[in-house]
Amino acid sequence: EAGVAQSPRYKIIEKRQSVAFWCNPISGHATLYWYQQILGQGPKLLIQFQNNGVVDDSQLPKDRFSAERLKGVDSTLKIQPAKLEDSAVYLCASSLDGGPLANTGELFFGEGSRLTVL
Amino acid sequence: AQSVTQLDSHVSVSEGTPVLLRCNYSSSYSPSLFWYVQHPNKGLQLLLKYTSAATLVKGINGFEAEFKKSETSFHLTKPSAHMSDAAEYFCVVSDGSNYQLIWGAGTKLIIKP
Repeated sequence: EAGVAQSPRYKIIEKRQSVAFWCNPISGHATLYWYQQILGQGPKLLIQFQNNGVVDDSQLPKDRFSAERLKGVDSTLKIQPAKLEDSAVYLCASSLDGGPLANTGELFFGEGSRLTVL
Repeated sequence: AQSVTQLDSHVSVSEGTPVLLRCNYSSSYSPSLFWYVQHPNKGLQLLLKYTSAATLVKGINGFEAEFKKSETSFHLTKPSAHMSDAAEYFCVVSDGSNYQLIWGAGTKLIIKP
């Protein structure tokens, strides 16, 4: 079974530039998550989709971050304009159904996209 | 509000000796608790989870964790460390009221040969 795919793996940009990350979840997984992991910290949820609807985006900095999941399959996360503090690994995860507490709610993570903002 | 504290940022043990990674949580509800592992340049992987069934939970690769409500702890243990266990481990809590996962800052496990 193919895992969660993310690209690009690494990206270096200057502040005020824009960047986009792509995620393809495991086939059939209804729930998709984007996390931000800053060096030395645990992941922080940015946004959670259930199919193509947003379940939780309370911690997404909406003035500069946006995410979409058209057709309920793959997803893109965009940052525009980037700031120095956006340097982090952006993790995409998916789960079969409605959340981590469901019987099949295990989150499967991609390898992440490492962003460096200079 | 729920929170989770991993008491050690780094733990170093010799191969073949026991592993103990400590985690304390705070939750207003009956929590669900998880341990995830992150090997270098790999995605996070679920080790085990507690969801109000047996208090001693067995996971993959010989790890287990015990839920102790009186101590608000969910420590991760393994009887004998292996070199392949070197990774970062995250303790995670969800209180069930909103499906959110709250992540600890992580503990880096170092295995000495």
